[in-house]
Amino acid sequence: AQSVTQLGSHVSVSEGALVLLRCNYSSSVPPYLFWYVQYPNQGLQLLLKYTSAATLVKGINGFEAEFKKSETSFHLTKPSAHMSDAAEYFCAVSMDTGRRALTFGSGTRLQVQP
Amino acid sequence: EPEVTQTPSHQVTQMGQEVILRCVPISNHLYFYWYRQILGQKVEFLVSFYNNEISEKSEIFDDQFSVERPDGSNFTLKIRSTKLEDSAMYFCASSATGVEQYFGPGTRLTVT
Repeated sequence: AQSVTQLGSHVSVSEGALVLLRCNYSSSVPPYLFWYVQYPNQGLQLLLKYTSAATLVKGINGFEAEFKKSETSFHLTKPSAHMSDAAEYFCAVSMDTGRRALTFGSGTRLQVQP
Repeated sequence: EPEVTQTPSHQVTQMGQEVILRCVPISNHLYFYWYRQILGQKVEFLVSFYNNEISEKSEIFDDQFSVERPDGSNFTLKIRSTKLEDSAMYFCASSATGVEQYFGPGTRLTVT
């Protein structure tokens, strides 16, 4: 079985500040890990993915995430927040076969204060 | 850029009625999925579909649910007899390789 825990349902940062959204996973086999972003009234957009290659993964819009097996973590970061980053962010895991269902975390709503 | 589309964007139906939610996956994709998100809850997997058959389904996907790829471009989710608890946002997703899944904008289903 696999699961995802996102610490903090709401995170608020100031524009220009570091963004850190936390994700811990549980998987009985090596996982594939993903971050998705959901803007209001829109679908889920893939930000980045980890599929057992480089542990530091760069995604769109300046986001990156680091896979740390020892900590079972895949935290999402961005050095400098922009107002347009305000959205809900979901971490997801699937089994390493890839062709499997995604298990999502409960999401973190990011607010960016001017 | 190719994208997954879903229709309708919002569907209101009465309890006990059948609904069909439609999705047009990205054209060269081979793997198709349905997920749902009840308001305030996690996104939950329903079913995956590959090579014209269901490859995986969750415990939510009971006999009331069915999927079909009727014509090589559409991918549909049918709920035979809707219940109040089926009210949710339903997302379709597709994938070329089965790794990255690309999601549509969702259909909001309201059962009254």
